[in-house]
Amino acid sequence: DIVMTQSPDSLAVSLGERATITCQSSQSLLYSSNNKNYLAWYQQRPGLPPKLLMYWASTRESGVPDRFSGGGTGTDFTLTISSLQAEDVALYYCQQYYSDPWTFGQGTKVEIK
Amino acid sequence: QVQLHQRGAGLLKPAKTLSLTCAVSDGSFSDYFWSWIRQSPGKGLEWIGDIVHRGSTNYNPSLKSRVTISIDTSKYEFYLKLKSVTAADTGTYYCARGKRLAEWSGDFIQYYFFGSDVWGQGTPVAVSS
Repeated sequence: DIVMTQSPDSLAVSLGERATITCQSSQSLLYSSNNKNYLAWYQQRPGLPPKLLMYWASTRESGVPDRFSGGGTGTDFTLTISSLQAEDVALYYCQQYYSDPWTFGQGTKVEIK
Repeated sequence: QVQLHQRGAGLLKPAKTLSLTCAVSDGSFSDYFWSWIRQSPGKGLEWIGDIVHRGSTNYNPSLKSRVTISIDTSKYEFYLKLKSVTAADTGTYYCARGKRLAEWSGDFIQYYFFGSDVWGQGTPVAVSS
């Protein structure tokens, strides 16, 4: 199985400041035939199911604010919140779908400083 | 906007079978994958498996011997059965819709999952004697 490792485990950022989460995979998620990275990001607010934020590492899901951006390629990826808002307090997960079983990172908790 | 609504028993004794149902509000089965995912404090998020409208399934090898996912398109529902449960199966179970990319590979169309965009509300499951 592909192991997904996120860092940090938790992050406290002031309102309006930038938050960056990293996700590393145990093998490359870049599929050479279509040049796509098989990685998604999710946000999970307390008591709710995860919500898809990003797929193909950097494509925003419909309705996701543009302060969220995804980057990286191969084995190293980032999710950035450019200007943290109160409603962004949540757990964030990366997920690889390069090879099954699809696997998730352990999660990063984002809080307000 | 499609909604997924889960139902099923959330308290089980060890060695019993967990049975959950996920109802899809618009019956849009043919264009997506239909998944079950669970979440526990110890293991985090874990993909259990998925099914497509024709009934083909794909399971997590770690659970494959105990899992059955099935679908009834006439009822707009898909199902999870997990047999011989133990305390390690305690957690919140979600059904989810998986986005599907279709690409030609030679003479065949291959379908690729690329994220779960709609989720059920979750069913807390506790296994205890």
